[in-house]
Amino acid sequence: DVQLLESGGGLVQPGGSLRLSCAASGFTFSNFPMGWVRQAPGKGLEWVSAISGGGDDTYYADSAKGRFTISRDNSKNTLYLLMSSLRAEDTALYYCAKVLVATMTTAYWYFDLWGRGTLVTVSS
Amino acid sequence: QSVLTQPPSVSAAPGQKVTISCSGSSSNIGNNFVSWYQQLPGTAPKLLIYDNNKRPSGIPDRFSASKSGTSATLGITGLQTGDEADYYCGTWDTSLSAGVFGGGTKLTVL
Repeated sequence: DVQLLESGGGLVQPGGSLRLSCAASGFTFSNFPMGWVRQAPGKGLEWVSAISGGGDDTYYADSAKGRFTISRDNSKNTLYLLMSSLRAEDTALYYCAKVLVATMTTAYWYFDLWGRGTLVTVSS
Repeated sequence: QSVLTQPPSVSAAPGQKVTISCSGSSSNIGNNFVSWYQQLPGTAPKLLIYDNNKRPSGIPDRFSASKSGTSATLGITGLQTGDEADYYCGTWDTSLSAGVFGGGTKLTVL
């Protein structure tokens, strides 16, 4: 089955760090760009970060720049998001998502496969 | 505040048609492709439309979309109660070098 399974969420204090993981299966992981999208409780979707298939190119929302690092291990079919200096406003359900087509052109980076999300709560 | 602007809510009766607008700028919609997502309550988003107006396999032709200048529109015909969901537009923003979503539109089928 084609699927994404996130893990690593939890409760963390403000200023703390957390690493999210996303295990992919059912497709050739290394071919496809991947991304993270988050959704605060009761709010809309927020694009967080994305990475090319080979991992050389990374992109971040302004809210994530300098604090979050996206990476991938294609030998393990796993996507990561390392989050540091966490703030209360980072509290959200974090979705891992696969890009529809294997392309380097970011204009075509639509997310066609989504995980169920992992919840991150930043609170003291 | 989202880079892309959508109406917070729309509503229509079963069987009717509804449209949802998405407004942006030249750095995003104006020069990039638009996608649309449906998020049913308690579930992950689902890709409805990509490349401005293409439907992934399995998406019924009741869903259509178009783009003109810096705006895009999603249309849903033959509304069903099962279409009640939040709908989001998305695109790449060249100035931000990042993806962006609209704030979402809640569809109510009365």
